[in-house]
Amino acid sequence: AQSVAQPEDQVNVAEGNPLTVKCTYSVSGNPYLFWYVQYPNRGLQFLLKYITGDNLVKGSYGFEAEFNKSQTSFHLKKPSALVSDSALYFCAVRPGGYQKVTFGTGTKLQVIP
Amino acid sequence: EADIYQTPRYLVIGTGKKITLECSQTMGHDKMYWYQQDPGMELHLIHYSYGVNSTEKGDLSSESTVSRIRTEHFPLTLESARPSHTSQYLCASSVGQGVEAFFGQGTRLTVV
Repeated sequence: AQSVAQPEDQVNVAEGNPLTVKCTYSVSGNPYLFWYVQYPNRGLQFLLKYITGDNLVKGSYGFEAEFNKSQTSFHLKKPSALVSDSALYFCAVRPGGYQKVTFGTGTKLQVIP
Repeated sequence: EADIYQTPRYLVIGTGKKITLECSQTMGHDKMYWYQQDPGMELHLIHYSYGVNSTEKGDLSSESTVSRIRTEHFPLTLESARPSHTSQYLCASSVGQGVEAFFGQGTRLTVV
């Protein structure tokens, strides 16, 4: 069975500092990996995805993520955090050939001015 | 913004009432999903559909039911609402395998 782990319930970072939100996964075969962001009282918005190819994926709002097959990780990163980045972030995985997406438990990112 | 809409955005209703949460998408996506999310917490898949007349229960047991009579419409119904149904309900749609899902704004349901 597929699974996604986001080991940190909350990440605090100072504005202007680099940020990392961690995600590891367990799936058979080649995964499709996604990051979504959720602002208060809103649905989820797509940030970026890894399907195949370059391990470094660039997405919306200056975010990027690195796919590491040996460590089964897909950490979300941004070089310089903004206060407006404060939100809930979800990692998700879909095994190739399967339809259902599994979401992680979410990580609350707090960027401190 | 994605073309997927949920109504109502907020609903407060008494115990025992029947309610239907609406979800519509104009993107022609074949796959649609309902998730339940408690505030600031993880998403639980409660129903999904891979096309018209196809519905399946998700990972989290739910007393709700769904129907998919038209591609664009995926309503969720609670026959008799209870306070334990208080939650946020998110609808999503997608097409293909490597394509991301698009989410509606959500319906925040409170049963009193």
